Amino acid sequence: DAKTTQPPSMDCAEGRAANLPCNHSTISGNEYVYWYRQIHSQGPQYIIHGLKNNETNEMASLIITEDRKSSTLILPHATLRDTAVYYCIVRLPTDSWGKLQFGAGTQVVVTP
Amino acid sequence: NAGVMQNPRHLVRRRGQEARLRCSPMKGHSHVYWYRQLPEEGLKFMVYLQKENIIDESGMPKERFSAEFPKEGPSILRIQQVVRGDSAAYFCASSPTGASDYGYTFGSGTRLTVV
Repeated sequence: DAKTTQPPSMDCAEGRAANLPCNHSTISGNEYVYWYRQIHSQGPQYIIHGLKNNETNEMASLIITEDRKSSTLILPHATLRDTAVYYCIVRLPTDSWGKLQFGAGTQVVVTP
Repeated sequence: NAGVMQNPRHLVRRRGQEARLRCSPMKGHSHVYWYRQLPEEGLKFMVYLQKENIIDESGMPKERFSAEFPKEGPSILRIQQVVRGDSAAYFCASSPTGASDYGYTFGSGTRLTVV
């Protein structure tokens, strides 16, 4: 699985959009980009994933650059409950089974 | 539809005792994964099981740790003769198939403290 690089931390004001970057310059053609988050003292929570096209669900949007070497997770209207560590993971969904490679992630703090 | 259930939420063991952590996957999920999160560290994969089979245990310590997922009942992660370094949060995840395109559903974890 390709490695990812994320900023260690970022702050966001409540009600504003949070844009979380992730670099994955060694991503291969069939690898997907997955995002999870871990709120303090809880298990990781799946957010969204994508291959090439931008994706949106009820939680977030995922923007993947055309060359697929980076992506951005967008929380459109951050709330205090979005304070968490956000992990960007690149993998083949049909490979490595459930062996998700969690990095250090980005600690996001949403402030009032 | 209940999520992944882990119990106990908190477990305290003295050095040398055994710890048993239980994980009940989501209904309809037959694939279970265990992860460990040491204090101030990231999550690390330990083992992947299907019903009655261990598929990948490459992340399991060689000694004292074992896992099972019987035909009936929850998956069990067993740690024998616990040491202080085993203190961590242990998370279980499940999926309907091994190659999940939906993401994996995690439980709330068991926090093991060895005193």
